Amino acid sequence: AQTVTQSQPEMSVQEAETVTLSCTYDTSENNYYLFWYKQPPSRQMILVIRQEAYKQQNATENRFSVNFQKAAKSFSLKISDSQLGDTAMYFCAFMKSRFTGANSKLTFGKGITLSVRP
Amino acid sequence: DTAVSQTPKYLVTQMGNDKSIKCEQNLGHDTMYWYKQDSKKFLKIMFSYNNKELIINETVPNRFSPKSPDKAHLNLHINSLELGDSAVYFCASSQGTSGYNEQFFGPGTRLTVL
Repeated sequence: AQTVTQSQPEMSVQEAETVTLSCTYDTSENNYYLFWYKQPPSRQMILVIRQEAYKQQNATENRFSVNFQKAAKSFSLKISDSQLGDTAMYFCAFMKSRFTGANSKLTFGKGITLSVRP
Repeated sequence: DTAVSQTPKYLVTQMGNDKSIKCEQNLGHDTMYWYKQDSKKFLKIMFSYNNKELIINETVPNRFSPKSPDKAHLNLHINSLELGDSAVYFCASSQGTSGYNEQFFGPGTRLTVL
């Protein structure tokens, strides 16, 4: 079974600064997907960024980038130029990549609460 | 236009009652999911349907019964509600069952059992 661990329950960052959120996972799979989801106070789950394990290049989406270390099973999210709207819970998630329906479930970490201070 | 919608958004009910939550997606996706987010914000998959067929059924009490009348709808019926069922229930959908296909989430239904 896969597990996703987010050991930091909360973090705080000053507006315009950079923050890194940590995530580790455990799996025996070789190919899989990793995700970061954002859940603002509105409760809506929003996909921030996705990484395919077979791709060595780290994914980036505007101010969001990841540091994917496959051997270490580590998947951290870096938010640059933090904005007040980044205040939210952030969830790291894992999904197997084999193309069978039963593998399409997301396994989530416990989440981290990020507060951006003005 | 709303992509994945859920009704109701809030549901307060007494223990022992039966209730349903409805989910609809207008994205043309073929796969739909139910996730539960507990009071500690932990999210866990409950069920998934692909083309109206159940493909994921996690360890969920059989008081929970999903129903997919068509590819655009996935409803969740809960019998004999218990205090521990209080949570936020999220519906999601995707085109296909690969991690390549983004799962789009609905706004969630906050269920409170008194």
